[in-house]
Amino acid sequence: ELKVEQNPLFLSMQEGKNYTIYCNYSTTSDRLYWYRQDPGKSLESLFVLLSNGAVKQEGRLMASLDTKARLSTLHITAAVHDLSATYFCAVAPGISGGSNYKLTFGKGTLLTVNP
Amino acid sequence: GAGVSQSPRYKVAKRGQDVALRCDPISGHVSLFWYQQALGQGPEFLTYFQNEAQLDKSGLPSDRFFAERPEGSVSTLKIQRTQQEDSAVYLCASSIPNRPGEDTQYFGPGTRLTVL
Repeated sequence: ELKVEQNPLFLSMQEGKNYTIYCNYSTTSDRLYWYRQDPGKSLESLFVLLSNGAVKQEGRLMASLDTKARLSTLHITAAVHDLSATYFCAVAPGISGGSNYKLTFGKGTLLTVNP
Repeated sequence: GAGVSQSPRYKVAKRGQDVALRCDPISGHVSLFWYQQALGQGPEFLTYFQNEAQLDKSGLPSDRFFAERPEGSVSTLKIQRTQQEDSAVYLCASSIPNRPGEDTQYFGPGTRLTVL
């Protein structure tokens, strides 16, 4: 059974600071997704990471994937209040081209950026 | 274009009632997924359709849960004889399958079900 663990689950940080959210998963996969969820809203796709060593950046967020370590990171640079949300990583099992449609989500990281 | 839409957005049911939740996927997306999100948790997979075929229903928690997508577009998740533990947000997502870089699952706004 695929397990996905995120840490920390709660993160309070000040504007302008940097931090990293970690996502570990338990079985082979080369498809990892990061989503953002605002309170009462649905999930917004942030990044799709499809291979070992993949790195993607959008604004103050950068995501990377290490399939050998079964680890993805979401790095926040110079945080601003607008980044306050819950961030989820999700993993599809298997290798590209296989039965990799079912996503297993972590519990989410609730990020609060304080002025 | 339009994203995934779901209705109703909120549903309150008395214990024992049947409910039906609707999902309209993005036009052209052949894959459709249902997830259940409990308060403070990540979404959990319920079931998956490719066109009208239900290829995986391993996540449905009991035989009270039933999903269909008869014409390969709109889908309905039905819950019979609702119980309090069914209270959650039910999310629908759609995607284009098996095309690397294009298989992101796009989520709808969800239906918040409260069972009293």
